Amino acid sequence: AQTVTQSQPEMSVQEAETVTLSCTYDTSESDYYLFWYKQPPSRQMILVIRQEAYKQQNATENRFSVNFQKAAKSFSLKISDSQLGDAAMYFCAIGGSNYKLTFGKGTLLTVNP
Amino acid sequence: GAVVSQHPSRVICKSGTSVKIECRSLDFQATTMFWYRQFPKQSLMLMATSNEGSKATYEQGVEKDKFLINHASLTLSTLTVTSAHPEDSSFYICSARRTTYQETQYFGPGTRLLVL
Repeated sequence: AQTVTQSQPEMSVQEAETVTLSCTYDTSESDYYLFWYKQPPSRQMILVIRQEAYKQQNATENRFSVNFQKAAKSFSLKISDSQLGDAAMYFCAIGGSNYKLTFGKGTLLTVNP
Repeated sequence: GAVVSQHPSRVICKSGTSVKIECRSLDFQATTMFWYRQFPKQSLMLMATSNEGSKATYEQGVEKDKFLINHASLTLSTLTVTSAHPEDSSFYICSARRTTYQETQYFGPGTRLLVL
């Protein structure tokens, strides 16, 4: 079984500042993938970033980057230069050999102007 | 691309009726599609996995006779909520897995179901 824990129900950041969202996970699989999805008020799930567990290099996508600590089973998301449009619920997820995703409970990010 | 559509986006029905929700991958072939349910301010709960041309696999606790899933082609999966009751009211989201980057799921915009 796989579990994902997001310990921050809510976070806030000032526009243009940097914020880090935490995520820890547990899995018995050796080959897995980690994801951050964003769900704005429209409720459309949007892929933010993905990380293959076998890769040591942290994934980056423009202003979004992850800090993947495999031994600690930690997968945090850093958002740089925060924008108003970044306000959303962020879900961390893990996928394994059966391609099913297990989601965390989410972190609601507020961006203050 | 990797666009997934859902139809309808919102539906209101009377208790006892059946409702069909369509999920389409618009610009790719989807080997597998997934159906989720999301309650307000909660996370996504996987209901079932749908593979083209075979029977769906349901998660524990999900009634397969209540939630009928058909995956007739590589671009279309349908979820039918049969004999809907008010407790079935929820937000239903589908996702699709493409043959490249197989581990990544792309999500539809969701369907809000309200059963009166």
